[in-house]
Amino acid sequence: LAKTTQPISMDSYEGQEVNITCSHNNIATNDYITWYQQFPSQGPRFIIQGYKTKVTNEVASLFIPADRKSSTLSLPRVSLSDTAVYYCLVVPTGGGNKLTFGTGTQLKVEL
Amino acid sequence: DTAVSQTPKYLVTQMGNDKSIKCEQNLGHDTMYWYKQDSKKFLKIMFSYNNKELIINETVPNRFSPKSPDKAHLNLHINSLELGDSAVYFCASSTSGYTDTQYFGPGTRLTVL
Repeated sequence: LAKTTQPISMDSYEGQEVNITCSHNNIATNDYITWYQQFPSQGPRFIIQGYKTKVTNEVASLFIPADRKSSTLSLPRVSLSDTAVYYCLVVPTGGGNKLTFGTGTQLKVEL
Repeated sequence: DTAVSQTPKYLVTQMGNDKSIKCEQNLGHDTMYWYKQDSKKFLKIMFSYNNKELIINETVPNRFSPKSPDKAHLNLHINSLELGDSAVYFCASSTSGYTDTQYFGPGTRLTVL
């Protein structure tokens, strides 16, 4: 399965745009890219998923270049409540028994 | 309304004991999962299960076994608990496959003494 690499941590201030990049060099043709958010003492929560180009929802945007070897989660105008761990996940459509979220990126938003 | 619930929230037990964690989802989903999150925050899938197929991560010791009395429940049984089993265990569910959004429970923090 495709292994993902993300920065361990990022700091930002309220109102700024935050971009978190994930590398997945050995992504397979049928794999999707999914991002989850996790607050302390809670389970992960789905943010966004995409296959190629750009996906946008009410929470975030996901940018995927043509080679799909990386992806960038973009959070517009973050607030203190966006402080959380963000996981990039490559999900095989055919299933997989080694699904791992990886270390995630700890985003800290300050005033 | 709680979508995915787990009990207990905290579980403290001695090495060698057998314990169970219960999971229930009221979303009508076909697939349920168990994940383990260790102290380094790695979140790794242990099992995925729908009413037709159980997929086991081969790295999971056979002391761990999922039990599904019906589509809405997937309980996790752990035999002969070891210190290394201490972690937070999350249950999740999705409509069908991995690419569908997974909804996670609040987690069960297991501490083995």
